Order: sequence, then C-alpha cells, then structure tokens
Amino acid sequence: GAVVSQHPSWVICKSGTSVKIECRSLDFQATTMFWYRQFPKQSLMLMATSNEGSKATYEQGVEKDKFLINHASLTLSTLTVTSAHPEDSSFYICSAREFQRGGGELFFGEGSRLTVL
Amino acid sequence: KQEVTQIPAALSVPEGENLVLNCSFTDSAIYNLQWFRQDPGKGLTSLLLIQSSQREQTSGRLNASLDKSSGRSTLYIAASQPGDSATYLCAGGGGADGLTFGKGTHLIIQP
Repeated sequence: GAVVSQHPSWVICKSGTSVKIECRSLDFQATTMFWYRQFPKQSLMLMATSNEGSKATYEQGVEKDKFLINHASLTLSTLTVTSAHPEDSSFYICSAREFQRGGGELFFGEGSRLTVL
Repeated sequence: KQEVTQIPAALSVPEGENLVLNCSFTDSAIYNLQWFRQDPGKGLTSLLLIQSSQREQTSGRLNASLDKSSGRSTLYIAASQPGDSATYLCAGGGGADGLTFGKGTHLIIQP
C-alpha cells in the first residue's frame, strides 16, 4: 500500500511554545491531506482538510489560528500547533487519499504524540 | 453530518473463535467505508476498503461487508488469534472529504 510518513513521532514541549508536525506521502502525490486528533480512549476526530496550494478547511470548533496548516507541495503538509497548552496534548495523525492504485483508500501516518508540559 | 457507531465497544473471546464487529452509519451517501486496526499508542493500519459500489471485500481471514441501504457494515474475523488483539475502527467517508470514525471496538483474543 501507499506510505504516509509523519515526523516527529513524539514531542514534548513547554507551554507557550509552537510545535510543527510534518506529514509526507512517500510514494504518491496527495492533493488533499487530512489532519486528525485523538484523545486517550477516544476515536479520531477530523480537525482540518489540507489542500495543496490553497487554504485548509477547518472543522467546526477547531481554531485555525492555533492549528496552522500548510500544504506547500503534493507530498508534504505541515501542522503547527501555536502557543501550545497542556490541553493540546494529544495524538495527531495525518492521512492522505491515494486514488491511482487504491481507489480512494485513505492511508495514515504513524501519528505524532504531543505532550505539553 | 455523518455519524458512525460501533458495537460492541469491547469484546473478549477465546482464541480460534469466529467473530463479527458491527458498524452503522447515518448517511448512506458515502464514497467508501474503511476498516482499520489500531494497536495501543500506534497509528492506523488499513485493513479493508469497500467502495460505495461494492458489497464486500476479503483479505485473508478478514471479510467486510457493506449495506448502504441499511447503513451497516460488518467486519468478520475468522479463526481469531491473539495477534488480532487491537482496536478496530470503522470509518465512512465521501469523496474529497475526510473519514468519519466510530469509537472503535477493543478486541481481546484470549490465548
């Protein structure tokens, strides 16, 4: 299957700092990537849809000024958590849809666990 | 807005049993339905993808069905093994939209 890579896999930061998470499609081009957040023992919740070359579309309740998304190329999307606070601690997972071989199957990165102290 | 429900929330069975995980969704106009496996602290592994025009998909001991008219999907696991222990997530989506996930079924296969 197609491969989506996320980096870093885990990060610990102090409250008030900003953290950037990268999501790369390694062997296919992704015009659209999706960012999810998963709190402990909860399911994945879609945060935003990242579109290559245009602004991201955010789900209701997600602060676009806090969670900055950039999709600069067909293989890379970044999520920056600005001025992180302890309540932002979560598991962030990106995904991309691969149409050429997968018929629209969604592939996920390994996730990035953020802990804000 | 799509809502996905998974039943049961947790399941524990002895090794070797066949089992069925259930998923229901509210909006039948889905592009496809996907089943995932998630191990503790890990990302998602895609198990099966059923496109809206399909009724089922099979991969090894796994079989997933889709009934759009009733808004249901099932994941059948044959001859379960301890290595199958994980959380199984069902998700439905539409085209350019992201997937909407259920809360998952936490499965434990007892050796």
